[in-house]
Amino acid sequence: AQSVTQLDSQVPVFEEAPVELRCNYSSSVSVYLFWYVQYPNQGLQLLLKYLSGSTLVKGINGFEAEFNKSQTSFHLRKPSVHISDTAEYFCAVGRISGGYNKLIFGAGTRLAVHP
Amino acid sequence: GAGVSQSPSNKVTEKGKDVELRCDPISGHTALYWYRQSLGQGLEFLIYFQGNSAPDKSGLPSDRFSAERTGGSVSTLTIQRTQQEDSAVYLCASSNSGVARPNQPQHFGDGTRLSIL
Repeated sequence: AQSVTQLDSQVPVFEEAPVELRCNYSSSVSVYLFWYVQYPNQGLQLLLKYLSGSTLVKGINGFEAEFNKSQTSFHLRKPSVHISDTAEYFCAVGRISGGYNKLIFGAGTRLAVHP
Repeated sequence: GAGVSQSPSNKVTEKGKDVELRCDPISGHTALYWYRQSLGQGLEFLIYFQGNSAPDKSGLPSDRFSAERTGGSVSTLTIQRTQQEDSAVYLCASSNSGVARPNQPQHFGDGTRLSIL
């Protein structure tokens, strides 16, 4: 069975500091990996995805993530955060099941950016 | 519209009542998903529709939950005899995934916040 672990439920950080949100997954088959962001009272917005190819994936809003197969990780990074990055971030692993991409989500990491 | 649309945005109802939540997916998207997000939790998969195929209902928590998708477009999630533990945000997503393109990302609506008194 697949699972996703987001190691930090909350991450406080000062504006313009770098940040890393950690995500580990378990799966016995090839997977696809996603990071989503959720702003208050909104749905989830796709930040970036890893399907295949280069293990360093760049997404929107200056975020990037690196797929590490040996460590089964897909950590999200940003070199300098803004106040507007304050949100909930979800890591998700997908695998093809019955011809579609079934996603399993982590519990989320709340990023709080302080001035 | 350009995105996934859900209605109502908020719903407050008494325990024991039935509720219907609506999702209008992105035009042309054949795949539609329902998730439940409880306070402080991740997303819990409920049900998946793909075109005219039989839906994957494996995530529905009880027989009080059901969903339909009419004409391959709009979907309605129905919860009968609501309980307080049904209080959550219900999110709908759509994608243009299919057998030929199974790994397409999902696009989410803003959700319906359901509160059971």
